[in-house]
Amino acid sequence: SYVLTQPPSVSVAPGQTARITCGGNNIGSKSVHWYQQKPGQAPVLVVYDDSDRPSGIPERFSGSNSGNTTTLTISRVEAGDEADYYCQVWDSKVVFGGGTKLTVL
Amino acid sequence: QVQLQESGPGLVKPSETLSITCTVSGGSISSYCCNWIRQPAGKGLEWIGRMCSSGSTKYNPYLKSRVTMSVDTSKNQLSLNLRSVTAADTAVYYCARELTWFGDLLGAFDIWGPGAVVTVSS
Repeated sequence: SYVLTQPPSVSVAPGQTARITCGGNNIGSKSVHWYQQKPGQAPVLVVYDDSDRPSGIPERFSGSNSGNTTTLTISRVEAGDEADYYCQVWDSKVVFGGGTKLTVL
Repeated sequence: QVQLQESGPGLVKPSETLSITCTVSGGSISSYCCNWIRQPAGKGLEWIGRMCSSGSTKYNPYLKSRVTMSVDTSKNQLSLNLRSVTAADTAVYYCARELTWFGDLLGAFDIWGPGAVVTVSS
């Protein structure tokens, strides 16, 4: 079955840029969606179809997808961005990555 | 504004059936598909399946033999039944609306309920 691989953790200082990767076989051929989940809360969609943002999501959140790696980029990181981030695709069924904990130093 | 709200038993005994309902408010359930997703404490997300108002379903192959989903459009509700539960089914269960674009499902989940905590224990 299809596997999505994310780094367990990423750390970044406030104001810097965070890049969270998600690897999968030829993932560039799939539509990738990203979710932010804060403790005790439901996930929130932050990027869909590789690089589109739902209404209400800041422009600081962007995505790219090519080859075997897709990346969620968060510019000008704020303390409030600290959360778990999950990538997701459809491959005959929904597949989620294992999640990446973003720590804002 | 569309909102989803899960409701469940909280505690289920091993080998019994877990039943959870997702109630949609602020919109008609007839307009879209909803998915069930669960998350064990401290772990990642696992997709359970999708139910559309048309009655069509798609299940995670790993859970398919134990899962049944249904929809009651008159009540604006979806239901999830998971049979023969074990401790491994202990999790927060979410229902989530699938995003559409001009009627096409995009495979992303744009509105989530707050989740229902279900513990399997005797």
